Amino acid sequence: KNEVEQSPQNLTAQEGEFITINCSYSVGISALHWLQQHPGGGIVSLFMLSSGKKKHGRLIATINIQEKHSSLHITASHPRDSAVYICAADFRNRDDKIIFGKGTRLHILP
Amino acid sequence: EPEVTQTPSHQVTQMGQEVILRCVPISNHLYFYWYRQILGQKVEFLVSFYNNEISEKSEIFDDQFSVERPDGSNFTLKIRSTKLEDSAMYFCASGRLARTGELFFGEGSRLTVL
Repeated sequence: KNEVEQSPQNLTAQEGEFITINCSYSVGISALHWLQQHPGGGIVSLFMLSSGKKKHGRLIATINIQEKHSSLHITASHPRDSAVYICAADFRNRDDKIIFGKGTRLHILP
Repeated sequence: EPEVTQTPSHQVTQMGQEVILRCVPISNHLYFYWYRQILGQKVEFLVSFYNNEISEKSEIFDDQFSVERPDGSNFTLKIRSTKLEDSAMYFCASGRLARTGELFFGEGSRLTVL
């Protein structure tokens, strides 16, 4: 069965802290997505990666295929980073599905 | 920057009514998806669509649901006879060319069934 687990479920941190959100998945995937869900509900795609590391501004995503694990890091966190971050495992090369994690609710305090 | 747009942003309907949610994918994308998120729960796959036909659907996507690409730009999700449990945020997404590749999500349509 395809499963995606995220941790932590909730995270509160002070502005400026380095944030790490973890994602593990149970079987081989073609890619892994990191998404940000706004307080209003809209979803934005942050990264799609199948190996290594990607960086965009203060956001860094890494994936270890052998360990079936990915992390999303936020450097110098800011209150505007407060959102739900969702990891999604992409099986679209097999059965056209993406399996979503339950999300990590991040709250950055000023 | 091109984006996926969804309408309406919020719809309230009575149980048993038909609802159509509309999506305009990014113009050169060929793969289209609907997902839903019941309040407080994770996002779930509903259906994928390519080359004018459904390529995959989940067990959630029963006979009450249908999708259509009526005019080459819109991609619609129809719920024939809404139930209370259909209340959710529905997200459309599109992807370019291959079955792998970045997905672009719309802002979502919130459906409330009374």
